[in-house]
Amino acid sequence: DTGVSQDPRHKITKRGQNVTFRCDPISEHNRLYWYRQTLGQGPEFLTYFQNEAQLEKSRLLSDRFSAERPKGSFSTLEIQRTEQGDSAMYLCASSLIGRGAQETQYFGPGTRLLVL
Amino acid sequence: DAKTTQPNSMESNEEEPVHLPCNHSTISGTDYIHWYRQLPSQGPEYVIHGLTSNVNNRMASLAIAEDRKSSTLILHRATLRDAAVYYCILRDHLDGNKLVFGAGTILRVKS
Repeated sequence: DTGVSQDPRHKITKRGQNVTFRCDPISEHNRLYWYRQTLGQGPEFLTYFQNEAQLEKSRLLSDRFSAERPKGSFSTLEIQRTEQGDSAMYLCASSLIGRGAQETQYFGPGTRLLVL
Repeated sequence: DAKTTQPNSMESNEEEPVHLPCNHSTISGTDYIHWYRQLPSQGPEYVIHGLTSNVNNRMASLAIAEDRKSSTLILHRATLRDAAVYYCILRDHLDGNKLVFGAGTILRVKS
């Protein structure tokens, strides 16, 4: 257990429905990342926050995806009008960025989404 | 982001050392070499990182070639719990935010 929790761990939904995932980072970690991982592939970066500011978004993050981190604590990732291609593991990671840029990212267990 | 190349899979016997190679011929002078691993049904976890000198920690050792175009992650005594996908990742020292994962190396450990 890294201290990063994600909820739910599994989600099955029908195409066209909206889903929301939550990530609780390690307390006082100022950076929070979202990644997506499909079977047999390495995780792909989606977006990240430093405190409450969303600093970078991948081209993978279409208009149907939105992420928030109110108050710089937990984060939510919402997918609207889900498609079968959204089926994947959604991973959250947190880190404490200091003077150096080589901070360690601590990953949660992920939320596995299946869109029928 | 600079690209890394790793073998698709490797196999090791339990209690024996494992050397996991990574090629990064286009590495820049400001890139750090990071290794993460992902155990089955878990998120990735940090293993080790380095810039130029060899590095050791409780999990593994990292040997970096003198020209920095390749590196090797060394597990000194593989256990069944080391069976995982191992990812070699380059991160710029000035702006090392997101991790860019490749396909990694699947390590199988035989008892």
